[in-house]
Amino acid sequence: SAVISQKPSRDICQRGTSLTIQCQVDSQVTMMFWYRQQPGQSLTLIATANQGSEATYESGFVIDKFPISRPNLTFSTLTVSNMSPEDSSIYLCSVDLDGGNTIYFGEGSWLTVV
Amino acid sequence: GNSVTQMEGPVTLSEEAFLTINCTYTATGYPSLFWYVQYPGEGLQLLLKATKADDKGSNKGFEATYRKETTSFHLEKGSVQVSDSAVYFCALRPNTGFQKLVFGTGTRLLVSP
Repeated sequence: SAVISQKPSRDICQRGTSLTIQCQVDSQVTMMFWYRQQPGQSLTLIATANQGSEATYESGFVIDKFPISRPNLTFSTLTVSNMSPEDSSIYLCSVDLDGGNTIYFGEGSWLTVV
Repeated sequence: GNSVTQMEGPVTLSEEAFLTINCTYTATGYPSLFWYVQYPGEGLQLLLKATKADDKGSNKGFEATYRKETTSFHLEKGSVQVSDSAVYFCALRPNTGFQKLVFGTGTRLLVSP
């Protein structure tokens, strides 16, 4: 497995502001994923971030709203822009390990937009 | 397309009861199958996995067997504890094409003393 650290772990944000979530992994990984989990719901993939290329977004998610950086093989950021209460969710970073066999998750960043 | 169906919760059990949480899937080819657990206020933890038919994943007393003939990956535990109270997610990952995880809706387990 790997140690996947996310910051912030929790935050309360004002609507209209933006927040950047950081994800740090203790080993080099090729594929990193960002998920959203709305209250009481399952997980939805936002985008896949590979080092050295633009992030690939899933249907319903756009770069202007969720810009992602992937500057190296151990780090990524997800920004939630111009937040509204509907963005209140857990945002989870995940990485692909075990030779591409298994995806592990960070502890999540719990955002509340007021 | 690929999809995962889980039994709806909550599942309410007394301590030491037997647990089964049903999971069935639809996929092309032979995906890898996973159970993740989310304890209250925490992120997702990998509980167990199986990568091919008839494999049995196990961890912390939980087990699940990859049944290709029934396209199922049911989670079982012989004797649950209060500390097992959590939400359990079944997921699949295709072994071809874009390999993103596909999650079920999650099943909440509540274990009372």
